[in-house]
Amino acid sequence: DSGVTQTPKHLITATGQRVTLRCSPRSGDLSVYWYQQSLDQGLQFLIQYYNGEERAKGNILERFSAQQFPDLHSELNLSSLELGDSALYFCASSEGLDHNEQFFGPGTRLTVL
Amino acid sequence: SQQGEEDPQALSIQEGENATMNCSYKTSINNLQWYRQNSGRGLVHLILIRSNEREKHSGRLRVTLDTSKKSSSLLITASRAADTASYFCATVYQAGTALIFGKGTTLSVSS
Repeated sequence: DSGVTQTPKHLITATGQRVTLRCSPRSGDLSVYWYQQSLDQGLQFLIQYYNGEERAKGNILERFSAQQFPDLHSELNLSSLELGDSALYFCASSEGLDHNEQFFGPGTRLTVL
Repeated sequence: SQQGEEDPQALSIQEGENATMNCSYKTSINNLQWYRQNSGRGLVHLILIRSNEREKHSGRLRVTLDTSKKSSSLLITASRAADTASYFCATVYQAGTALIFGKGTTLSVSS
């Protein structure tokens, strides 16, 4: 158990809909990262937050957004969903800013029908 | 695009044998990390090697880094069935701000 929790575990929704994925980092970790894992694209970094502020952006679509709240939990919002958004979404956390030794949550499997 | 490329894509060995996976990357890095993923589950950090280090050990794991060849290898000695998983290398660019993962090596260890 990494200490990172993600909800929900599974999400099935329809095209055009909007969903919110939630992540609670390990106690004491200030950085939260979001990743998307699909068969064709592999594991892609989406975005990083550190202590409530956006710090780094990767291959995140404009339809996707994230935030980190004062209690350090984070939410990833996916809107106008397309079939191609079906994937595993992972949250990870680490102590500092520098992307070292990240602790991954169990993931949310999103299926868009 | 992925920064790291693992080789081989898949590896099947018997329990007790050693498993070697390689990773090549394209640009200068600050550090290189190896992660393990059991089927469909979250990734687990195995080891981090910095650009000024050449070799690192952790239990049955040995990682080497050759910055001149832009490559790293992960050796798992005396493999066990429980080592069956996908292994990913991930790099942090020297001037970058993200951890970039390769596509992984799928290791199968049979008893």
